[in-house]
Amino acid sequence: GNSVTQMEGPVTLSEEAFLTINCTYTATGYPSLFWYVQYPGEGLQLLLKATKADDKGSNKGFEATYRKETTSFHLEKGSVQVSDSAVYFCALSLPQGGSEKLVFGKGTKLTVNP
Amino acid sequence: EPEVTQTPSHQVTQMGQEVILRCVPISNHLYFYWYRQILGQKVEFLVSFYNNEISEKSEIFDDQFSVERPDGSNFTLKIRSTKLEDSAMYFCASRSIAGAQVWTDTQYFGPGTRLTVL
Repeated sequence: GNSVTQMEGPVTLSEEAFLTINCTYTATGYPSLFWYVQYPGEGLQLLLKATKADDKGSNKGFEATYRKETTSFHLEKGSVQVSDSAVYFCALSLPQGGSEKLVFGKGTKLTVNP
Repeated sequence: EPEVTQTPSHQVTQMGQEVILRCVPISNHLYFYWYRQILGQKVEFLVSFYNNEISEKSEIFDDQFSVERPDGSNFTLKIRSTKLEDSAMYFCASRSIAGAQVWTDTQYFGPGTRLTVL
């Protein structure tokens, strides 16, 4: 079946540190890949997206590249800020006759200390 | 900026009681979804809804669950007889399918309703 495996947290970094959160997927087909972020007390927000191999999604200094050969979509940021503290979810979707449900990883909690 | 809203933010109920979780999707969106997240576990798909009918449902979405779009703006999830294991955060999401822009297929999520079954 379709699944997403992402790095277990929590991850604690100092401000301006480099961030990597690993995400790999298994899919029967050619999925679109997403990173969603959940700030404390809020819902899930789309952070970035990639729809085909070698696409790079980017937003707010975060980047992830769709790697078909390694079935990965690792999230990176060169210099994290305290305001990046949140839970990050990797997800995929496949065409399902239009439904395109999302399949999520377990989430990785990031805490950035000043 | 338009957003998905959900009420209530927290619902406490006794086992065996019926609950209705409410969502107001973004107004021009056409696909609607419910997901849930049991504490400490992954976000799981429950059901998708399009054109006034269920388009897909997961094995979690058994006969105790139902969805409805009663008035063209609200989208509800009903649990007929709650169990302890229904305690979770429930997220509503909506999606537009119009156009060829990458971002229009994005699912927009509400803030969630935390359901606690005692």
